[in-house]
Amino acid sequence: DSGVTQTPKHLITATGQRVTLRCSPRSGDLSVYWYQQSLDQGLQFLIQYYNGEERAKGNILERFSAQQFPDLHSELNLSSLELGDSALYFCASSVDGPPTDTQYFGPGTRLTVL
Amino acid sequence: GQQLNQSPQSMFIQEGEDVSMNCTSSSIFNTWLWYKQDPGEGPVLLIALYKAGELTSNGRLTAQFGITRKDSFLNISASIPSDVGIYFCAGLNRDDKIIFGKGTRLHILP
Repeated sequence: DSGVTQTPKHLITATGQRVTLRCSPRSGDLSVYWYQQSLDQGLQFLIQYYNGEERAKGNILERFSAQQFPDLHSELNLSSLELGDSALYFCASSVDGPPTDTQYFGPGTRLTVL
Repeated sequence: GQQLNQSPQSMFIQEGEDVSMNCTSSSIFNTWLWYKQDPGEGPVLLIALYKAGELTSNGRLTAQFGITRKDSFLNISASIPSDVGIYFCAGLNRDDKIIFGKGTRLHILP
């Protein structure tokens, strides 16, 4: 158990819909990262937040957005969902900001878009 | 964009054998990371490498940061059943963006 929690574990929805994935980092960790893992693209970094502020951006689509709240939990919002958005979405946390800090991954949310 | 070529894609070995996998790129990376992912779980960091030429061990695992900074390898010695899983390499580029390889799936034959 990494100490990072993600909800829900599974999510099934239809194209065009909007969903919110939630992540609670390990106690004391200030950074939260979001990743997308699909069979064809592998693991892709989406975005990082550090202490409530966006710190780094990866391959995140404009239809996706994220935020980190004052209690440090984070949400990833996916809108206008397409079939290709079906994937595992992981959240990871680390103590500090630099990406060289050890990241602890949550168990993931499996999103299925029908 | 930058890509990491990880090989082999999958491996079938006997218990007790040594394993070797690697990642290569046409681009330079400042940090190399190796992760393992078990079914239904998120990746877990195994080894982090921060300097070209660095050789680091973690139990039966050994990884090296290539001198050219464009490659890294991971060796597992005397494999055991719990080594089964997917191993990912990842590199941090000069912009501190993390890029992952597609993974090596390790199978251990009974």
